[in-house]
Amino acid sequence: DGGITQSPKYLFRKEGQNVTLSCEQNLNHDAMYWYRQDPGQGLRLIYYSQIVNDFQKGDIAEGYSVSREKKESFPLTVTSAQKNPTAFYLCASSIWNLSNQPQHFGDGTRLSIL
Amino acid sequence: GEDVEQSLFLSVREGDSSVINCTYTDSSSTYLYWYKQEPGAGLQLLTYIFSNMDMKQDQRLTVLLNKKDKHLSLRIADTQTGDSAIYFCAERRSQGNLIFGKGTKLSVKP
Repeated sequence: DGGITQSPKYLFRKEGQNVTLSCEQNLNHDAMYWYRQDPGQGLRLIYYSQIVNDFQKGDIAEGYSVSREKKESFPLTVTSAQKNPTAFYLCASSIWNLSNQPQHFGDGTRLSIL
Repeated sequence: GEDVEQSLFLSVREGDSSVINCTYTDSSSTYLYWYKQEPGAGLQLLTYIFSNMDMKQDQRLTVLLNKKDKHLSLRIADTQTGDSAIYFCAERRSQGNLIFGKGTKLSVKP
């Protein structure tokens, strides 16, 4: 089945620790995205990538980093500089060049602070 | 403003129609989307409409678009308990990025 796989489903971070959230897609999509969702809030864009080895900051990139070494993979690192990392993180992908193509989402990773 | 606006809550009885409303901000937005999120899950695309259309129907779902007022609605006919979820409206800006509303929590009472 084609889709987007996020892992782990739940993740706990200690103070001062970096953690990496995995996102893999087998949809052959060019573009990938990371969003953060807080309770009662919409989705806010952290980073996105239109093509391998290139990525752009979204609205709330501070304290996060990404890489895009392969088309299928777009891992997100939550660094110790992110002071309020507790949230639900959603990864999405889409075909970039066709404007009618929607973003498809993974099932999310819930990050909590120990 | 920059925000996509939605009311936060809607409660309906099973079998009734639900109407979820959304106002968006950018008149040059090309596509508008409705996503559904069940507890602890990602977002599932329900339907979308191109900005030059007024209406789109897909089984129990009807999307109405008033481009002049930048108003979008999602009607769910014969609402079932399985429709209970959070519904997000999103607009696709001309640069390609999506801007989401905060979501409307739909509660369906038996």
